[in-house]
Amino acid sequence: TQLLEQSPQFLSIQEGENLTVYCNSSSVFSSLQWYRQEPGEGPVLLVTVVTGGEVKKLKRLTFQFGDARKDSSLHITAAQPGDTGLYLCAGRKAAGNKLTFGGGTRVLVKP
Amino acid sequence: GAVVSQHPSWVICKSGTSVKIECRSLDFQATTMFWYRQFPKQSLMLMATSNEGSKATYEQGVEKDKFLINHASLTLSTLTVTSAHPEDSSFYICSARDLGESYNEQFFGPGTRLTVL
Repeated sequence: TQLLEQSPQFLSIQEGENLTVYCNSSSVFSSLQWYRQEPGEGPVLLVTVVTGGEVKKLKRLTFQFGDARKDSSLHITAAQPGDTGLYLCAGRKAAGNKLTFGGGTRVLVKP
Repeated sequence: GAVVSQHPSWVICKSGTSVKIECRSLDFQATTMFWYRQFPKQSLMLMATSNEGSKATYEQGVEKDKFLINHASLTLSTLTVTSAHPEDSSFYICSARDLGESYNEQFFGPGTRLTVL
């Protein structure tokens, strides 16, 4: 069982549709990060959230950190083919040094 | 800013040989670097935490004698896969934490694809 559970594992949508990816845990995290990774490349940091209830926007991407800092979501509005990739959430516990990754959500946006 | 490089980007080697992968933080200092491996269509799995000037901390199940880590400076960590075998074929990714970043954000290198024949 992974510490961070991402859902869904795979998402295929048409260009212009909206999508939401969830990242859930029973543990509390001091911070949570979202990354996007394309095939053959390393993950690229999209956002870091640190405050319970925090909402951050990055163009068409909206990130939310749960009030209890145990879960997070990523919402993409009007998805484009360029949004295709593996989305990873990763959290760091309050006293921890390690970043724990979720299982990833593979997103495919078809033109 | 916050660029992490890896070299080589890919390597093919024969079974039994050793392969060294370098990870550099180009525009920041990092006392801590991390090494991950990733199998196709899977998430990243932490192998070890590399601390500048001290021994690396390995995750459970990772053989420290097989995956040698050296963190000689604040900008360079190396991972050596010794006596590589086909099952070691994977995508290896390093990451570094920016000392000057208050949120302790981690930045990742582009990865190294290792293929052992």
